[in-house]
Amino acid sequence: DQQVKQNSPSLSVQEGRISILNCDYTNSMFDYFLWYKKYPAEGPTFLISISSIKDKNEDGRFTVFLNKSAKHLSLHIVPSQPGDSAVYFCAASAGRGNTPLVFGKGTRLSVIA
Amino acid sequence: DAGVIQSPRHEVTEMGQEVTLRCKPISGHNSLFWYRQTMMRGLELLIYFNNNVPIDDSGMPEDRFSAKMPNASFSTLKIQPSEPRDSAVYFCASTPRVGYYGYTFGSGTRLTVV
Repeated sequence: DQQVKQNSPSLSVQEGRISILNCDYTNSMFDYFLWYKKYPAEGPTFLISISSIKDKNEDGRFTVFLNKSAKHLSLHIVPSQPGDSAVYFCAASAGRGNTPLVFGKGTRLSVIA
Repeated sequence: DAGVIQSPRHEVTEMGQEVTLRCKPISGHNSLFWYRQTMMRGLELLIYFNNNVPIDDSGMPEDRFSAKMPNASFSTLKIQPSEPRDSAVYFCASTPRVGYYGYTFGSGTRLTVV
């Protein structure tokens, strides 16, 4: 059973608009969450993270929001750029850093110029 | 730093053959992870090592899969015998230590078993 779920396989957004990627999790022990970005023929690269003690973390155009009661997090990209077109993976970990990351299936974002 | 190096980049093999995937982690990184990416399951953890010792191999799908890390600079993932359902992209990742989540991934090995 998938502990980290990304229910939207793909998303298309116009350049300059906001992209919102969603992620749900089932394991209440998860206490650290991350987003990774993956271009074709490359490995995933770390994008942004958030600890369960926070509900928001911002880094430039990227903001991650965490709603612990709903077991939901989202990644906002504002404004979206064509170079943001990639697959985005949501990941989570439990045990205060003592367990490896559990990833979702990914969401393919296409930013249309 | 050359990053995490995986070889080969692509592997096409016939069902029943042995396949060996290789990974060189970043120097000084003490934790190494093998993940497999498929459309159905996304990125799933197969096994991870800490200081060259296998910590958790519960993600290894079957006894046909085995992994080793004989030293800090080299790891292998072996499939014997290979089957068409093993076709996927296999990623190796390393981190300085367990609990540091800025994993550095290699470029992956795309395995096709025909």
